[in-house]
Amino acid sequence: RKEVEQDPGPFNVPEGATVAFNCTYSNSASQSFFWYRQDCRKEPKLLMSVYSSGNEDGRFTAQLNRASQYISLLIRDSKLSDSATYLCVVTDRGSTLGRLYFGRGTQLTVWP
Amino acid sequence: DAGVIQSPRHEVTEMGQEVTLRCKPISGHNSLFWYRQTMMRGLELLIYFNNNVPIDDSGMPEDRFSAKMPNASFSTLKIQPSEPRDSAVYFCASSPRTGGTSGKNEQFFGPGTRLTVL
Repeated sequence: RKEVEQDPGPFNVPEGATVAFNCTYSNSASQSFFWYRQDCRKEPKLLMSVYSSGNEDGRFTAQLNRASQYISLLIRDSKLSDSATYLCVVTDRGSTLGRLYFGRGTQLTVWP
Repeated sequence: DAGVIQSPRHEVTEMGQEVTLRCKPISGHNSLFWYRQTMMRGLELLIYFNNNVPIDDSGMPEDRFSAKMPNASFSTLKIQPSEPRDSAVYFCASSPRTGGTSGKNEQFFGPGTRLTVL
């Protein structure tokens, strides 16, 4: 079983739509959580960290449910520039050396 | 500031040839990671170093793959001999932190090397 599972999509939404991605992780000891974004033929880049209380960064809201081992990312008022693959990422408590576990990614296309 | 630098950006080679990928991490970063990304398998961690020491190489597919980090500013990933199934994008990433249970462990990725083995 993979450490991190994501719905691969693709999600195709019109501009202005709200879209949500989900992710589950297998290690209950996982400590830190992130969403990375990867544009086509580019490298992954950190989008935002995910905190236990949930957090928001502009149009992006991330939530964590430790009991269900579930992470979500909500994008409001989608823009064309949001088209990318979104990678769910976790670390584990035992990893003191910064190892990240990446999901396969969820592909999003925003159309005009 | 320069980010993670990788070379070459593209490599096309024939089966059986040796391939060497290079990475220069961001100055001051303690950890360095090599990943491979394919459509089928996504992003896979091959090996990572902390303070130039290999910590976990369990992701290295087989003995044909080897990685070194002779100093804090340079690492190589070598494939010898290469096979068509090695075709993928290879990313190098570095991180300023040595981990721990608090704070973010952001990894900064290089642009990748797109390898094609014919």
